[in-house]
Amino acid sequence: GQNIDQPTEMTATEGAIVQINCTYQTSGFNGLFWYQQHAGEAPTFLSYNVLDGLEEKGRFSSFLSRSKGYSYLLLKELQMKDSASYLCAGGSDSNYQLIWGAGTKLIIKP
Amino acid sequence: DSGVTQTPKHLITATGQRVTLRCSPRSGDLSVYWYQQSLDQGLQFLIQYYNGEERAKGNILERFSAQQFPDLHSELNLSSLELGDSALYFCASSAGLAGATSTDTQYFGPGTRLTVL
Repeated sequence: GQNIDQPTEMTATEGAIVQINCTYQTSGFNGLFWYQQHAGEAPTFLSYNVLDGLEEKGRFSSFLSRSKGYSYLLLKELQMKDSASYLCAGGSDSNYQLIWGAGTKLIIKP
Repeated sequence: DSGVTQTPKHLITATGQRVTLRCSPRSGDLSVYWYQQSLDQGLQFLIQYYNGEERAKGNILERFSAQQFPDLHSELNLSSLELGDSALYFCASSAGLAGATSTDTQYFGPGTRLTVL
């Protein structure tokens, strides 16, 4: 079957670093996406990984290991505005659906 | 601003009624996706269209239907509404088919908040 798992909720402190993990099982895997979603708003695209390794974009980085079926999103220098849900989604070339995780709610404390 | 537009922003209606939600994709995007998100729940994929043709179906109820028109805008029709249909409905668009490459990055519209009383 196809499945995406990520923790339900995480808490971190302003200014710190947090790593949000995502594991996936998808047949014909071909790419993994991270989105940010503030409460009541639309998801916004953060990153896409198709090759193993780390992709850095400012304070946010995303890592992929295809052999382990594992990805993480790393957020540095946390700000209060980073309080949001982070959605992991895996692409498959065996069908035409993006498989979505349930999202990780990140709570930032002062 | 993602470039995806959705109307209306808010919709309040009664049980048993029928509503139509509208979506215009980003310029050049051929795929349109519809999602439902109930309060504090994850995104539930409903249906996808690519260049006018239905491409993939998720957990879409029989009371719901959608179509994509020649100008690529899409409409989601919800009928015989129930209280449990109250949710945020998102439309997303992408250049490609879905899921496989970076061209399939989905960009979301602001959503329509449906309240069924």
